[in-house]
Amino acid sequence: QVHLRESGPGLVKPSGTLSLTCAVSGGSISSDTWWTWVRQSPGQGLEWIGEIYPSGSANYNPSLTRRVTISVDKSKNQFSLRLTSATAADTAVYYCARGTTGVTGENWIDPWGQGTLVTVSA
Amino acid sequence: SSDLTQDPAVSVALGQTVRITCQGDSLRTYYASWYQQTPGQAPVLVIYGKNIRPSGIPDRFSGATSGNTASLTITGAQADDEADYYCSSRDNSNNRLGVVFGGGTKLTVL
Repeated sequence: QVHLRESGPGLVKPSGTLSLTCAVSGGSISSDTWWTWVRQSPGQGLEWIGEIYPSGSANYNPSLTRRVTISVDKSKNQFSLRLTSATAADTAVYYCARGTTGVTGENWIDPWGQGTLVTVSA
Repeated sequence: SSDLTQDPAVSVALGQTVRITCQGDSLRTYYASWYQQTPGQAPVLVIYGKNIRPSGIPDRFSGATSGNTASLTITGAQADDEADYYCSSRDNSNNRLGVVFGGGTKLTVL
């Protein structure tokens, strides 16, 4: 059973870079999967950040695409998120998760990591 | 990108049936997936595909799609079902592949 766990700094300074890593256990990062990042600002809904396929092909939320990079490290069985020029609006719980594509192209996200709170503040 | 629209809040009496809806253009192409989130917890997948429940999800949860509207139905709502529910789907607007979430529906079980 695949298990995911986020790690990284819980505090980032404004204009700094938010960097998180998601360790995958119980399965291979090289599987037929879209490795996904989702965030949730305090009291708000879920926001899809982006996803990466093991080949390195990535898709990003258009509202974040200029600032976000998702990468895969097969040697460590993990994937990472990098968000530059952070502002207070980026304060959120960040989740990593596994995305699966069905036969008709639909997508579902399961399982999810427990989430990690990142605060952008001086 | 395509937007998914959900009612912000819905209530249901204990043991009754409730339907939570989600509207969006992407649903004409892709099935929705549905997630349950309780306070302080990560979202949990409850329905995906045409109407598939992951292992461990009670059969009182079901899903359906008609046109641009997806729905999640809870038949015989339990107190444990009180949570936020989010729909999501693939999106291929402007030939850019992505994923969109609805704004979420807060379900209250009375």
